[in-house]
Amino acid sequence: QKEVEQNSGPLSVPEGAIASLNCTYSDRGSQSFFWYRQYSGKSPELIMFIYSNGDKEDGRFTAQLNKASQYVSLLIRDSQPSDSATYLCAVNRRRNNNDMRFGAGTRLTVKP
Amino acid sequence: AAGVIQSPRHLIKEKRETATLKCYPIPRHDTVYWYQQGPGQDPQFLISFYEKMQSDKGSIPDRFSAQQFSDYHSELNMSSLELGDSALYFCASSRRAAKNIQYFGAGTRLSVL
Repeated sequence: QKEVEQNSGPLSVPEGAIASLNCTYSDRGSQSFFWYRQYSGKSPELIMFIYSNGDKEDGRFTAQLNKASQYVSLLIRDSQPSDSATYLCAVNRRRNNNDMRFGAGTRLTVKP
Repeated sequence: AAGVIQSPRHLIKEKRETATLKCYPIPRHDTVYWYQQGPGQDPQFLISFYEKMQSDKGSIPDRFSAQQFSDYHSELNMSSLELGDSALYFCASSRRAAKNIQYFGAGTRLSVL
């Protein structure tokens, strides 16, 4: 079992809809949580990070963290075709954030 | 803003050859990480350096070595290359005082023929 699990997708949503991406992790001591967006053949680009339980909003993106359930999610509102990419969930297990493990990524397609 | 710079962007080598990948972190970042990403896979952590000292080791093969220099740039040295080493190699950098949030370079695509 991978330490960070994501549904590989593909997840397909129509333009303007809400895309919901989910991630679970196995190490209960994990400290911080990240969502990266990766276009094919490109490098991971940081979208959001969250450290505390609850919601964190940044523009069209909302990250949600539930440490008791070991669950983190990313909501993308008003999805655009340019949001089509693979979204990587990453979990850092140490307080100094230097032990990061990635999920396999969820491929999102936003259809015009 | 300056980003993480990696060179070369593309590299083609033959089996058993050696390769050196370079990474220049974001200015004032003190930590560098190396990742390997195979086709359709998530990035796998190889090794990291903090203030020029190795800080963590992941799934880096013994054939690979890396170091961080006084100017904070890092090099990943790969010897006795195998076909399975063909992958995207990403470098990321972070600043410990800024929660060590990692920012990635554009990557080096290594093809071993």
